Amino acid sequence: EDQVTQSPEALRLQEGESSSLNCSYTVSGLRGLFWYRQDPGKGPEFLFTLYSAGEEKEKERLKATLTKKESFLHITAPKPEDSATYLCAVTQNTGNQFYFGTGTSLTVIP
Amino acid sequence: GAVVSQHPSRVICKSGTSVKIECRSLDFQATTMFWYRQFPKQSLMLMATSNEGSKATYEQGVEKDKFLINHASLTLSTLTVTSAHPEDSSFYICSALITAGFNYGYTFGSGTRLTVV
Repeated sequence: EDQVTQSPEALRLQEGESSSLNCSYTVSGLRGLFWYRQDPGKGPEFLFTLYSAGEEKEKERLKATLTKKESFLHITAPKPEDSATYLCAVTQNTGNQFYFGTGTSLTVIP
Repeated sequence: GAVVSQHPSRVICKSGTSVKIECRSLDFQATTMFWYRQFPKQSLMLMATSNEGSKATYEQGVEKDKFLINHASLTLSTLTVTSAHPEDSSFYICSALITAGFNYGYTFGSGTRLTVV
């Protein structure tokens, strides 16, 4: 069964303490892998799209990487305002459906 | 950038009544839109995919007669929760597919918090 799994479920970091979030996928025929940020009570906000293994993208303190099995979202020197739930999602070549992982709730402590 | 406007942001209704949620693409045409449901501290669950001018495709386990989806134009999709009950209380989010050449992406509405009392 196609699946998207994120780990850890929750992560608490001190301000400035770098870390990585993981998104593992087993879907066949990956078309794209997406990272979103979601704040409480709001819709997801787009961060990155990755299409092929080896691809990397950066935005401020965030860097996303992709392999054939997983993606990492690296957070360098996080700030309290980076606290949010980070969602990973994938689409397949066979359709436009968009399947989300379980999310990682990140809390950055000042 | 492409913006999806979702209304209302919050709604409280009585059990047995129906509620309509609107999702509009403001500066692009959305031929395909998606509706999600999210329970507290859980991820988004795809409910259905709507294509302009045709019937929506529902995910397994989603009652099509309870969650009516209409995508009558390229800029508007609506979700109507019919005969709402407390268990329908949830956070509903719409999304639109955006395509631009090889690249494509999904933009989300701000969500609707539905509370059925």
